[in-house]
Amino acid sequence: GENVEQHPSTLSVQEGDSAVIKCTYSDSASNYFPWYKQELGKRPQLIIDIRSNVGEKKDQRIAVTLNKTAKHFSLHITETQPEDSAVYFCAAPLENFGNEKLTFGTGTRLTIIP
Amino acid sequence: NAGVTQTPKFRILKIGQSMTLQCTQDMNHNYMYWYRQDPGMGLKLIYYSVGAGITDKGEVPNGYNVSRSTTEDFPLRLELAAPSQTSVYFCASSYYQGAATEAFFGQGTRLTVV
Repeated sequence: GENVEQHPSTLSVQEGDSAVIKCTYSDSASNYFPWYKQELGKRPQLIIDIRSNVGEKKDQRIAVTLNKTAKHFSLHITETQPEDSAVYFCAAPLENFGNEKLTFGTGTRLTIIP
Repeated sequence: NAGVTQTPKFRILKIGQSMTLQCTQDMNHNYMYWYRQDPGMGLKLIYYSVGAGITDKGEVPNGYNVSRSTTEDFPLRLELAAPSQTSVYFCASSYYQGAATEAFFGQGTRLTVV
């Protein structure tokens, strides 16, 4: 069925190291791929997004890469800091009879070890 | 701009009771969504709407109903509440015109059914 798969479900990295989270999607027509960060007890908020006409996008320590052929995209966080500890969600708009429903991955709980 | 506003923030319901979760947005977004997030889990789509008068089911619609009589409002109705509906509910909105854009979330409603 139409879905978005996300791995890993949990990730622990030493402060200063890099973290990578991967997502795959099923709808080849999807053309927008956002990443959201959710801190404990708060709402999800967008941290970076990429469109299908671009292979990579960077914003300071955060980057997203997209492989449309393989239908997967990844979040890269470099020089991790304690405030990066949170749950991260990928998402993709999946086509549904001419409309697009924004579907989220299952989330990755990232813990930065001081 | 207030963004996306949800009420109430917290609610305790008894089994079999009904309630409506309110959601309003002031960004003139055409798309609106309702998600539920169980403890430690991801965001599951309940219902979504692509514009006033149009709604469609997501992954987990059973036990819920929605309506979209205006662009601004997208209430979620729970009939005959069950313990399985204990969750945090998030409303979100986005603007779509040929391509998806950032979804903005409300602060969430924490619902407990006892």
